[in-house]
Amino acid sequence: NAGVTQTPKFRVLKTGQSMTLLCAQDMNHEYMYWYRQDPGMGLRLIHYSVGEGTTAKGEVPDGYNVSRLKKQNFLLGLESAAPSQTSVYFCASRGSAVNNYGYTFGSGTRLTVV
Amino acid sequence: AQSVSQHNHHVILSEAASLELGCNYSYGGTVNLFWYVQYPGQHLQLLLKYFSGDPLVKGIKGFEAEFIKSKFSFNLRKPSVQWSDTAEYFCAVNAPRSGAGSYQLTFGKGTKLSVIP
Repeated sequence: NAGVTQTPKFRVLKTGQSMTLLCAQDMNHEYMYWYRQDPGMGLRLIHYSVGEGTTAKGEVPDGYNVSRLKKQNFLLGLESAAPSQTSVYFCASRGSAVNNYGYTFGSGTRLTVV
Repeated sequence: AQSVSQHNHHVILSEAASLELGCNYSYGGTVNLFWYVQYPGQHLQLLLKYFSGDPLVKGIKGFEAEFIKSKFSFNLRKPSVQWSDTAEYFCAVNAPRSGAGSYQLTFGKGTKLSVIP
């Protein structure tokens, strides 16, 4: 089924550890986004990409890095995890057509940093 | 930068009551508007969206929303809620991010709806 796939679905990290979250889409979408969801805060944009090889900062980029080496993949990295990064992370993608701003979301990654 | 305000943090209703969740946004240009629902433990699902045309938009599960441009609002309504509507609801606006040309989706903080049988 076409869509956005996030791996892993769950992860527990110790403070200071590093990890990479993978987002893969098979819809040939140009735009990809990483959000984090925290109680009472809604979803906040971490980083985004407007095409292969491009990345840009969103609303809450500190402590995260991203890469878009292939059009279908958007990686979110935590170099040194902190308890404040405990959250649910959602990836989304959309196409570039003017009249098509439909976003497709992944099912989320629940990350706990202890 | 654009912002989205959802007026109610938590709404508690009895089954069959009518629902209206408020959403206001700050961007003055052309926007696309969305309502998403998140059931407990699940990911986001699209309820409805507005791109252009008829400002009264009908979505899934009996939900509808009305875009009122003059009020910068996109309120969600349902005439009669069910216990299964218990979830968190997010309003979102697709608009250009300040300082960049790319459209981005900005979310409100969400409204939790609890429906009592």
